[in-house]
Amino acid sequence: KAGVTQTPRYLIKTRGQQVTLSCSPISGHRSVSWYQQTPGQGLQFLFEYFSETQRNKGNFPGRFSGRQFSNSRSEMNVSTLELGDSALYLCASSLAEGENTEAFFGQGTRLTVV
Amino acid sequence: DQQVKQNSPSLSVQEGRISILNCDYTNSMFDYFLWYKKYPAEGPTFLISISSIKDKNEDGRFTVFLNKSAKHLSLHIVPSQPGDSAVYFCAATADYKLSFGAGTTVTVRA
Repeated sequence: KAGVTQTPRYLIKTRGQQVTLSCSPISGHRSVSWYQQTPGQGLQFLFEYFSETQRNKGNFPGRFSGRQFSNSRSEMNVSTLELGDSALYLCASSLAEGENTEAFFGQGTRLTVV
Repeated sequence: DQQVKQNSPSLSVQEGRISILNCDYTNSMFDYFLWYKKYPAEGPTFLISISSIKDKNEDGRFTVFLNKSAKHLSLHIVPSQPGDSAVYFCAATADYKLSFGAGTTVTVRA
């Protein structure tokens, strides 16, 4: 069974640009969550999607947005990039149909904003 | 606000001894708690979890303890092995959202 796949693995963008990150969940998983990891801050929750609907959202500005497609694949978009957006962006998928199940993470996309 | 806190950023332990990682939380709505392990350049991998209705869960060398009244959980690794050197994240879930602590870097010395 293939794991969670995130593309691209590495990305360098300049300030003001926008970026789209992609996440393919484990087959059969309908929940996809996004997290930002920066040194000393742990993993900060961005948003969670289930069946193409955003169920929860973290405390990030509106420049951060996402969506989920009918095949459960998800994309995350960051517009008007700032230097502080440089981070590792992690995607996780889970069954999460009302039950507490663990989330499986992808390897992440390392975004550097210069 | 940080609802899940790991107050020890690092822990060094000798191989074969016990590693104890601690985690505190503030949100009483959390009903499921997890520990993840992370190596550099990789995503976190699930280690062990515990439901809020239990106070202990054991899986091989890993045991998680939950003290709901104190809003505290801990992870015990016995015996510690060199391959355990990694960053460990405590996480808790409510409303389809996983909240993570800042992580504790464990170094197992030979």
